[in-house]
Amino acid sequence: DVKVTQSSRYLVKRTGEKVFLECVQDMDHENMFWYRQDPGLGLRLIYFSYDVKMKEKGDIPEGYSVSREKKERFSLILESASTNQTSMYLCASSIDRLVGQFFGPGTRLTVL
Amino acid sequence: GQSLEQPSEVTAVEGAIVQINCTYQTSGFYGLSWYQQHDGGAPTFLSYNALDGLEETGRFSSFLSRSDSYGYLLLQELQMKDSASYFCAVFRPFSGGYNKLIFGAGTRLAVHP
Repeated sequence: DVKVTQSSRYLVKRTGEKVFLECVQDMDHENMFWYRQDPGLGLRLIYFSYDVKMKEKGDIPEGYSVSREKKERFSLILESASTNQTSMYLCASSIDRLVGQFFGPGTRLTVL
Repeated sequence: GQSLEQPSEVTAVEGAIVQINCTYQTSGFYGLSWYQQHDGGAPTFLSYNALDGLEETGRFSSFLSRSDSYGYLLLQELQMKDSASYFCAVFRPFSGGYNKLIFGAGTRLAVHP
């Protein structure tokens, strides 16, 4: 079974802090994704990566950056956290660009 | 523009059949997917329709009609554990030759005894 893990289930940070969210997958998938999920808005794509050291902006990249130094790890970085970044953050991976994505358990981030 | 619309909530009783519809206003997409998410859990992939027609996987079936810009998820013999949110999603071409998933806002299904 594919396993996607995220470093924290719950995280509380203060406005202006730099926040790192880590995601690791163990199935050698090339494709990895970061989403945020907010009530009534579904999942929105922040960034994605189809290869090591490769990254592409999604629909809502502002205020975020990513890093993919190794195939299995995809990190989401909030350079200076703001209260409107309070959300559930979901990482996903897939073996192919057109098949189902496997999601991690999510990190619920609260920015005070 | 691009958007997917699905009902926000659906209720049903155990043992019944329920259909969750998804209509979309987007073109040039590769297929329609469905995901299930229980409260506090991660979305899990249920099905993918690359072509028009019905795909069946156990108690769940998914349907796509590109000409009608419409799809649905059909859940049969409902069980209490089917209470969850269900999201439809389409793959669309994105920048740089890549594809991305666009999700609907989700339908919350409540199954009652």
